[in-house]
Amino acid sequence: DTGVSQDPRHKITKRGQNVTFRCDPISEHNRLYWYRQTLGQGPEFLTYFQNEAQLEKSRLLSDRFSAERPKGSFSTLEIQRTEQGDSAMYLCASSARGPGQGTDTQYFGPGTRLTVL
Amino acid sequence: DAKTTQPNSMESNEEEPVHLPCNHSTISGTDYIHWYRQLPSQGPEYVIHGLTSNVNNRMASLAIAEDRKSSTLILHRATLRDAAVYYCILRDMIKAAGNKLTFGGGTRVLVKP
Repeated sequence: DTGVSQDPRHKITKRGQNVTFRCDPISEHNRLYWYRQTLGQGPEFLTYFQNEAQLEKSRLLSDRFSAERPKGSFSTLEIQRTEQGDSAMYLCASSARGPGQGTDTQYFGPGTRLTVL
Repeated sequence: DAKTTQPNSMESNEEEPVHLPCNHSTISGTDYIHWYRQLPSQGPEYVIHGLTSNVNNRMASLAIAEDRKSSTLILHRATLRDAAVYYCILRDMIKAAGNKLTFGGGTRVLVKP
């Protein structure tokens, strides 16, 4: 399967602990996105990478959140000192803009469901 | 990003067509209309997109009003596997290089056997 993969699929942690999620995009996709989705809501954008450069961050991404994409391939999203309000599905997507398309299609992974007790 | 308005939910019978409306009265000339859907317990998946002309692919058809202030996603023969939340999203073509997707609440489609 050559789709976007995320690990772990589920994470349960206690409030105050740090957690890290990993995303492996589709091979050769140079763009990678993180979104967060709470129950009953649509996904909300968190941050975006083009290759290894983090080009955009949402105001939702507080200073407890950090994302990296060190070699322009996989990415990690770390949440420090987790709070109950961080409980959500964290989705990763990747894309690669082709010539003449005018826009690009994002391919999503299955998400990591975080529960903070 | 310009906003979209969709009904919260729609019901359909299996093997009947489903027409999902989306209003985007503040759409700009460079906004593409995208549709994604999210099946239960999965990440969103791309369905279709268009700019001005109607579009067809293997999943669905997209009908765009002449003034572009509204569009309709058409599932020609709904199956139980089409039960999902469908999101209508506008993306600025000029800023499309890596631009985020801004999801609204979407339309939850229920398909009855």
